[in-house]
Amino acid sequence: AQKVTQAQTEISVVEKEDVTLDCVYETRDTTYYLFWYKQPPSGELVFLIRRNSFDEQNEISGRYSWNFQKSTSSFNFTITASQVVDSAVYFCALRPAAGGTSYGKLTFGQGTILTVHP
Amino acid sequence: SQTIHQWPATLVQPVGSPLSLECTVEGTSNPNLYWYRQAAGRGLQLLFYSVGIGQISSEVPQNLSASRPQDRQFILSSKKLLLSDSGFYLCAWSLGGGFTPPQETQYFGPGTRLLVL
Repeated sequence: AQKVTQAQTEISVVEKEDVTLDCVYETRDTTYYLFWYKQPPSGELVFLIRRNSFDEQNEISGRYSWNFQKSTSSFNFTITASQVVDSAVYFCALRPAAGGTSYGKLTFGQGTILTVHP
Repeated sequence: SQTIHQWPATLVQPVGSPLSLECTVEGTSNPNLYWYRQAAGRGLQLLFYSVGIGQISSEVPQNLSASRPQDRQFILSSKKLLLSDSGFYLCAWSLGGGFTPPQETQYFGPGTRLLVL
């Protein structure tokens, strides 16, 4: 069975602070994909990043960066110099790479509510 | 580019009434399609997915059903709504075509907020 845990229910920061959102996962699959999605108040889930289990290189995209550590089953997301527009619910998700009974199944964490205050 | 539409955006229905939510995708052929429900603004649960016309897999036994009458159309239905059916329903698509590329990403629609009273 797959499981994604986002232990931080809510985080509140002041604009320009750096903030890290934690994600820990469990899976028996040897190959899998990890995702982060952003859900702004409008409700639509916005895809942010996909990471393959065999690629542990960290990634940076503007103010966003992701730290994937297979040894600790973690895929953490850092926002540098946060802005008010970053306020949203952020979801981490896991999907097996192969098919079978887990085909297409995205397992989501419960989400972290990030509030950035001006 | 691909776009995904859902309607209605919001819906208030009485208990026991029928339901039909529609999702359509543009700009791609034979996509994989998914229905998710999000309750209380947290945690998404996969309800159904489809790899082709008429092919529906159900993930959770429930009061809902899904159909795919056309390649890029996915419909979520109920004959009699329950209070517990209230929530935010999200449709998603990913590349399909009879096989799953190894780097499939699911892209979500704007969602439908359903309130059952």
